[in-house]
This record gives sequence, structure tokens and C-alpha cells, in this order.
Amino acid sequence: QVQLVESGGGLVKPGGSLRLSCAASGFPFSDYYMSWIRQGPGKGLEWVSYISTRSSFTNYADSVKGRLTISRDDAKSSLYLQMNSLRAEDTAVYYCVRYARGGWFDLWGQGTLVTVSS
Amino acid sequence: EIVMTQSPATLSVSPGERATLSCRASRSVSSSLAWFQQKPGQTPRLLIYATSTRATGIPARFSGSGSGTEFTLTISSLQSEDFAVYYCQQYNDWSGTFGQGTKVEIK
Repeated sequence: QVQLVESGGGLVKPGGSLRLSCAASGFPFSDYYMSWIRQGPGKGLEWVSYISTRSSFTNYADSVKGRLTISRDDAKSSLYLQMNSLRAEDTAVYYCVRYARGGWFDLWGQGTLVTVSS
Repeated sequence: EIVMTQSPATLSVSPGERATLSCRASRSVSSSLAWFQQKPGQTPRLLIYATSTRATGIPARFSGSGSGTEFTLTISSLQSEDFAVYYCQQYNDWSGTFGQGTKVEIK
């Protein structure tokens, strides 16, 4: 079954850290660019970061640059997001998303909720 | 960063009527434009990619058009299951920025 399953969300205090994971199955994970997209409560979709195949390239939204780090482990078919120096505005559902070969987002996980609050 | 702007923010439509949603890019994205539908509590669903290509399983009442900086999603005859929020998204660069969404509600 082709799917993405996120884990690692939870409640964290401002300034704290969290590591999100995404387990991919049913497709050749190493062949695909991957991304994290988030959605704050009652808000729209915000692209957060992407990573290319073989981890050759990464990029980040300005709002998270320097605080969040994307990585992947192709041997484990897994994507990660290390989140440091978290702020209240980072509160959101974080989706693990696959890029189709043409560049659009064609497969989404169910999301994991990150809440940053004291 | 490419900024995507959708209009209107809310669209009130009666079932069976046509809905036209607009999306504008701050600079050309060629034909690298996708549309997503999201219902409350659900994951976004891909409707259209490459401006006008329907994703697998998407009904023919959904159509996309445009190029460069101006794009349109048309729902020819709204069904009850189509009331949702719709997002456009550019993928001309790998950042994949989204519009702020258009909510299609029952009139």
C-alpha cells in the first residue's frame, strides 16, 4: 500500500525541540523528492521544506530557516524534520508529502500535530 | 519567493451552479500550477496538476485553465460533496507555495 505515516508530534514549550518522522511504504522512496507542509489551526497550507533525492539539495521557508532541518534515510524509507527553537507560531499539523516526478504534490500523509505552548 | 493570491476568499454558490475560482502568481510559473481540495478534518486532495490535467479519479466537472500568472479552476455544476476549501499551488520552483485558499460554501 502506497502511504506516508507521520509520527513525533506533541506538546512542547516555546524554545523546545521536537523531531518528526515520516515512514514511507509501497513505493521506491529513494527515487522521490520529499517535503514537509504545515497547516496552522484554522489557517491555510504553508510549504516548510523540501529535500531532493540523495539529499543533494534542501530548501526552507524563510519562517523556519535556521531552526528546522529536513533529512532523509533512504535505507529506512524515512523522512525527518528536526525542529529547534520552537515558537507558538510553529503550532500546526505537519504533513509529509511526496513530489510527483513532474513536481506537484501527489501523496500526503495524515499529518502530525505539533503544539507549542507553555 | 513566488506569492500566490486567490480570489475570492469565499464563494457562495447554489448546488448545480458553476463556480469559478481564480489564482494569480506574483511572477510567471509557466504551467506549473496545481489545485487541491480540502474538507474539514481531511488531508488535501489533488484535483488538477500542470494547470489543466485532472488527477486520477477526479470528475470531469473540475477543469483548470490559464498560464503564466493567471489561472482558473472551474467546477461546472456544483455537487454537495464539492463544498470545501480550494488551494492553488505553484511548483515552478521546488518551494511549492500555496494560495491562501477559497472557501466554496452553500448559498
